[in-house]
Amino acid sequence: QITLKESGPTLVKPTQTLTLTCTFSGFSLSTSGVGVGWIRQPPGKALEWLAFIFWNDDKRYSPSLKSRLTITKDTSKNQVVLTMTNMEPVDTATYYCAHSTYDSRGWYYFDNWGQGNLVTVSS
Amino acid sequence: DIVLTQSPGTLSLSPGERATLSCRASQSFSSNSLAWYQQKPGQTPRLLIYGASSRATGIPDRFSGSGSGTEFTLTISRLEPEDFAVYFCHRYGDFWTFGQGTKVEIK
Repeated sequence: QITLKESGPTLVKPTQTLTLTCTFSGFSLSTSGVGVGWIRQPPGKALEWLAFIFWNDDKRYSPSLKSRLTITKDTSKNQVVLTMTNMEPVDTATYYCAHSTYDSRGWYYFDNWGQGNLVTVSS
Repeated sequence: DIVLTQSPGTLSLSPGERATLSCRASQSFSSNSLAWYQQKPGQTPRLLIYGASSRATGIPDRFSGSGSGTEFTLTISRLEPEDFAVYFCHRYGDFWTFGQGTKVEIK
């Protein structure tokens, strides 16, 4: 059974750096064909993809946020870490991590999500 | 960037009725790398459909996906009380994007 859980602060101040950790079980990020992504959702709004890391350490970032994001993995700890610099109030959202696998054409989609971590940006 | 536009914004229906949700992409993507998620208040998104038309594990067959190119549809053949929720379409692949959601509410 695949499970993921996000952990990190619930409140950050403007200009600070946010660090979120996704701890997972039921799969290994060293296994071919596996990935983990981060997605966020402002209260009452739509989902927004942020970053993705593949089993082979290849990485993708949302073009609009690329300069502020870093995604890394620690395979030995079954963790993926997302950092986002220069936080602003508009970054207030629930941040999710999600397991990804590929479809018949080799494209990666999200099939299992963590419960989310609500982060509020306020002074 | 590919933008996904969902319509309608809100769909008001009664249990037992058929729901048809639309997702239109600003550019065609030939791989049919389109998924649908259901989200209830306070819950995480639940994968319903991937590959435009493949049901995820454990999803009832009243949920079906169709479409290709720029036009995709999620159909719920007969609404059950637990189906009233927000539905997001999602384009995945080299980059990932989401639609703004359609709320299916009880009429």
